[in-house]
Amino acid sequence: DGGITQSPKYLFRKEGQNVTLSCEQNLNHDAMYWYRQDPGQGLRLIYYSQIVNDFQKGDIAEGYSVSREKKESFPLTVTSAQKNPTAFYLCASSTRSVTSYGYTFGSGTRLTVV
Amino acid sequence: KQEVTQIPAALSVPEGENLVLNCSFTDSAIYNLQWFRQDPGKGLTSLLLIQSSQREQTSGRLNASLDKSSGRSTLYIAASQPGDSATYLCAVLGLSGTASKLTFGTGTRLQVTL
Repeated sequence: DGGITQSPKYLFRKEGQNVTLSCEQNLNHDAMYWYRQDPGQGLRLIYYSQIVNDFQKGDIAEGYSVSREKKESFPLTVTSAQKNPTAFYLCASSTRSVTSYGYTFGSGTRLTVV
Repeated sequence: KQEVTQIPAALSVPEGENLVLNCSFTDSAIYNLQWFRQDPGKGLTSLLLIQSSQREQTSGRLNASLDKSSGRSTLYIAASQPGDSATYLCAVLGLSGTASKLTFGTGTRLQVTL
């Protein structure tokens, strides 16, 4: 079945440590996105990529980095510069016809600072 | 800047009731509106997508309407069941600069009791 796979499901980060969240899709979608979800707030866009080897900052990109070396993969690194990284992270993808078909989301990664 | 509001924030109904969830948005220049379901600790599952030129979409017991001019959408759930208990999110796709952007509401948490 086609879909988006996020791993790990749970991740713990120590102070000053960089961690990478994985996102893989087999939907042949061109665009991929990373969102952050905090309690009581709507999802906020971190980074997005519309084609391989190109990506754009979203609304809250500070302290995060991404790469898009393959169409199927869009990993997110949470760097030590992100001062409040504890949150639920969601990866999404869409075709070029996003206005017609919308977004597909993965199952999420919960990141906790210890 | 697009803002999306969902009312009520939480709702509890007995099994079998019909119910309506509300979503309002401030900028009517949208491409589409998408309703999602989120179970605790899980990712988002797309329920319905209404394109800007459409008035409503139906899937099983779910019916979503869109009044773009007034900036409103409703999600109608018929004959509610305990399995419908989840958080329901609406999101609008609009233009932000040269790219499209998905803006989320904070959700309505629904509990259907026996």
